[in-house]
Amino acid sequence: GQQLNQSPQSMFIQEGEDVSMNCTSSSIFNTWLWYKQDPGEGPVLLIALYKAGELTSNGRLTAQFGITRKDSFLNISASIPSDVGIYFCAGRGSNYKLTFGKGTLLTVNP
Amino acid sequence: DAGVTQSPTHLIKTRGQQVTLRCSPKSGHDTVSWYQQALGQGPQFIFQYYEEEERQRGNFPDRFSGHQFPNYSSELNVNALLLGDSALYLCASSLAPGGAGETQYFGPGTRLLVL
Repeated sequence: GQQLNQSPQSMFIQEGEDVSMNCTSSSIFNTWLWYKQDPGEGPVLLIALYKAGELTSNGRLTAQFGITRKDSFLNISASIPSDVGIYFCAGRGSNYKLTFGKGTLLTVNP
Repeated sequence: DAGVTQSPTHLIKTRGQQVTLRCSPKSGHDTVSWYQQALGQGPQFIFQYYEEEERQRGNFPDRFSGHQFPNYSSELNVNALLLGDSALYLCASSLAPGGAGETQYFGPGTRLLVL
């Protein structure tokens, strides 16, 4: 099935560092979503973006909806150990389904 | 405010068997979507139910079928199980249609192992 191009595939950082990850698509999306998934659990919504160019923050997390509507990025500032997990981007076009990236595995070294 | 719930949490089946997974949406939501997540991959859309009808379907064979009940809860049925059906099955609920209401919230998933 179709998946978005999400990078990097994995990151290993020190506590306190900032993190950036992004997603690109060959298709235009109307909505971009960022989720975090812990082992054995379902994805938890972090940030939802609904308009091209939109920049939204949720605590230490900031995400932007690309102006071309084909990309989005997520930044995490001042990382902490509990940020560890897999981060997924997801986009929705004119239909109802979400298309997901393959995920970015984040490891934070205390 | 109850979130999305799924049952069972884990399930082991053998090839050729049939399985039914269940989902109760978040309070106030009327739309349920099902996803399959293989190990190391992002979730893949199976189908979405709204007003007790399948509204859209992903690239999955007819062995995968579903149902939505009047209380908005939903079932996913998989017939003639294959080894490749082993995965985490996720249910997501949302309000339909339009705008922020379509944001999907996920349950914890059902881990299916086919032997």
